[in-house]
Amino acid sequence: GEDVEQSLFLSVREGDSSVINCTYTDSSSTYLYWYKQEPGAGLQLLTYIFSNMDMKQDQRLTVLLNKKDKHLSLRIADTQTGDSAIYFCAESYEKLTFGTGTRLTIIP
Amino acid sequence: EPEVTQTPSHQVTQMGQEVILRCVPISNHLYFYWYRQILGQKVEFLVSFYNNEISEKSEIFDDQFSVERPDGSNFTLKIRSTKLEDSAMYFCASSPDRSWQYTIYFGEGSWLTVV
Repeated sequence: GEDVEQSLFLSVREGDSSVINCTYTDSSSTYLYWYKQEPGAGLQLLTYIFSNMDMKQDQRLTVLLNKKDKHLSLRIADTQTGDSAIYFCAESYEKLTFGTGTRLTIIP
Repeated sequence: EPEVTQTPSHQVTQMGQEVILRCVPISNHLYFYWYRQILGQKVEFLVSFYNNEISEKSEIFDDQFSVERPDGSNFTLKIRSTKLEDSAMYFCASSPDRSWQYTIYFGEGSWLTVV
């Protein structure tokens, strides 16, 4: 079945760039997504990339997709305290399959 | 901005009791979903619903679970006889069209604690 893996924790100094990585197994994925979950809140769609793209930039967010290696990354430039959250990678073919989530902690 | 709303935000129930979680999807959306997240674990797909019937369901969605769209706005998840392991955050989601997966919108979630 489909599987999506992420590292569980990442700590970054305020102002630095954060890079959150994800690997997936389903080569038939059509879209890959990044969701943000703040404490006690729902899942907020941050950005997505279609599987035939290599890169997508959206303000402070850059998504890189290496389809050959089935590797997806999310770069957050100039990380702020408000970026503290859990970030979920997800892939879809017919339904969303989520990763374990990466808890991003910002060090002042 | 339109949003998916869920009620209740928290519910504590005794093992064996029936629970109904309610969701109001975005009004022009056609596909509805339930996902759940056990504390500290992945967000897992439960079921998708389209045109008043289940489109797809996971292994988790056994006979204890059912979904219904009783009127034009609500979408409900019923757990008939809750077990301790049903304790989780349940997320409702909706999208305009299944092929437009990138526009899945999630609600804030309903925390269910089974004691």
